[in-house]
Amino acid sequence: AQSVTQLDSHVSVSEGTPVLLRCNYSSSYSPSLFWYVQHPNKGLQLLLKYTSAATLVKGINGFEAEFKKSETSFHLTKPSAHMSDAAEYFCVVSDTRDFAGGTSYGKLTFGQGTILTVHP
Amino acid sequence: NAGVMQNPRHLVRRRGQEARLRCSPMKGHSHVYWYRQLPEEGLKFMVYLQKENIIDESGMPKERFSAEFPKEGPSILRIQQVVRGDSAAYFCASSRQRNTEAFFGQGTRLTVV
Repeated sequence: AQSVTQLDSHVSVSEGTPVLLRCNYSSSYSPSLFWYVQHPNKGLQLLLKYTSAATLVKGINGFEAEFKKSETSFHLTKPSAHMSDAAEYFCVVSDTRDFAGGTSYGKLTFGQGTILTVHP
Repeated sequence: NAGVMQNPRHLVRRRGQEARLRCSPMKGHSHVYWYRQLPEEGLKFMVYLQKENIIDESGMPKERFSAEFPKEGPSILRIQQVVRGDSAAYFCASSRQRNTEAFFGQGTRLTVV
């Protein structure tokens, strides 16, 4: 079975300082990993995804994440926080093994979420 | 190309009533996924459908919940005899193929009073 643990439920940073949102995963097979962002009362937006290519993944809005198999981690970082980054962030895993006849990137396991607050 | 459309955005039901949540996938997408987000929790997978077929319903409660994705029209998540514990945000996602990115709708927030 696959699972995701987001190590911080809340992270608070000042505008212009680095952001680090931590995520550890557990998967029996080669996982695909994603970070999604959810702004209040909005849908989910994909920030970036890792699907067994380069281990350092660059996403939208200056975010990036590094897949570290030895540490089973997929932490999300950004060099300089912006006020508009305030939102809830979800680390997500999807097993790439076959199920019901094939891989699916739509059947996802979400972490509990990390609320990012950005102070002026 | 419009995104995944869910309606209604907000739904209030009294205990014992039925709730019907609709999801229109993106154009060209034939795979639909439903997720539930309870307060203070992450999203939990409920069901995966492809046109006219339920592929995986391992996350669906055994009673009162059902889902369909007919040949024509939106996917429907139906909750019969709602209880207060059904209050949550329900998200739908769609993908073009099984192994391509899934795009999420804005969700339907169900409140049971």
